[in-house]
Amino acid sequence: DTAVSQTPKYLVTQMGNDKSIKCEQNLGHDTMYWYKQDSKKFLKIMFSYNNKELIINETVPNRFSPKSPDKAHLNLHINSLELGDSAVYFCASSHSAEAEKLFFGSGTQLSVL
Amino acid sequence: GQQVMQIPQYQHVQEGEDFTTYCNSSTTLSNIQWYKQRPGGHPVFLIQLVKSGEVKKQKRLTFQFGEAKKNSSLHITATQTTDVGTYFCAGEEAILFGKGTKLSVKP
Repeated sequence: DTAVSQTPKYLVTQMGNDKSIKCEQNLGHDTMYWYKQDSKKFLKIMFSYNNKELIINETVPNRFSPKSPDKAHLNLHINSLELGDSAVYFCASSHSAEAEKLFFGSGTQLSVL
Repeated sequence: GQQVMQIPQYQHVQEGEDFTTYCNSSTTLSNIQWYKQRPGGHPVFLIQLVKSGEVKKQKRLTFQFGEAKKNSSLHITATQTTDVGTYFCAGEEAILFGKGTKLSVKP
């Protein structure tokens, strides 16, 4: 069983479209995250949710909207996609907001054409 | 703002040589974590250091946290081809990631 699973694995779309990436964890963790990894492999935190509540919201354009229907799921919706949004997006989870150990999903490669 | 700097950006070694990557913060960190990302893969947790001056070992890997809790290092003894990947440090509950050190090992 995959601990943190995200779908889709690959996403190719046109500029201006709206798309969503889904993430689910079966570890019983309270905290989930979204990270963006650009072409230079820099990892940057975007959002963090603890028990469905937003606790970290880094300077991310408001075209990005996370949604956590329950603590096992954290989805990422992106409106009006831009070329610069092309990256690998990783979902992760940890037992608590103290983030003592993160478990990452396998990533979603987003390509905006 | 708070930053975590990691050097070197790249390291090429011959198999059997040692490797070290360094992480430096502009401010005191409450803890530091290390992750490894294989090519095409996702980051995988290696270890967390919490105490000042802490040293932890995992087989050929040695992790250190500085006395001032502003720097950390990961040392690999006698590298193997399976060590290939990018090593990231992360501070402040994984909010601040270093830019990673990409290790390549020539057999």
